[in-house]
Amino acid sequence: DTAVSQTPKYLVTQMGNDKSIKCEQNLGHDTMYWYKQDSKKFLKIMFSYNNKELIINETVPNRFSPKSPDKAHLNLHINSLELGDSAVYFCASSRDDRGAKNIQYFGAGTRLSVL
Amino acid sequence: GDSVTQMEGPVTLSEEAFLTINCTYTATGYPSLFWYVQYPGEGLQLLLKATKADDKGSNKGFEATYRKETTSFHLEKGSVQVSDSAVYFCALGRGSQGNLIFGKGTKLSVKP
Repeated sequence: DTAVSQTPKYLVTQMGNDKSIKCEQNLGHDTMYWYKQDSKKFLKIMFSYNNKELIINETVPNRFSPKSPDKAHLNLHINSLELGDSAVYFCASSRDDRGAKNIQYFGAGTRLSVL
Repeated sequence: GDSVTQMEGPVTLSEEAFLTINCTYTATGYPSLFWYVQYPGEGLQLLLKATKADDKGSNKGFEATYRKETTSFHLEKGSVQVSDSAVYFCALGRGSQGNLIFGKGTKLSVKP
């Protein structure tokens, strides 16, 4: 069983469309994250949720909206897609206690290509 | 702000060669340091960590020592295997936030 799974693996879409990426973890973790890896391979945090509550919201356009229906899921919705949104998006999760927050478990990534 | 710099790849080695991937960081205070590895087609996974100066993290034959005087956390392995081919990410983190800051990643290819 995959610990952190995200779908789809690949997403090709036109500029201006709205799309979603789903993420689920079966580790019983309380905290989930979304990261973006750009074309230069930098991996940067976008959001962090703890028990369905937003904890970290880095400088991300408000076209990006995370949705957490329960603590095992953190989906990423992107409205009005732009060329610059093309990247690989990683979901991750961790336990909530202080020392464990940096021990994160990642999904395999979703490669988004905006044409 | 905090940042991590690691050596550019790709790195190509023959099996049983010695590996070093350099990582330096800029941070205030005393962050924890990590190496994550991403095997082809998989998500990142924690390889090793060190939480304070002079700590040595080790796992699967890999080692890295937290050097505060040189702000470094270089990854080493004495004898690499083909199965070590992956992308390696150095990262720093602060336990209360869970906000990991990653380097760019270094792709390692090991040839038989």
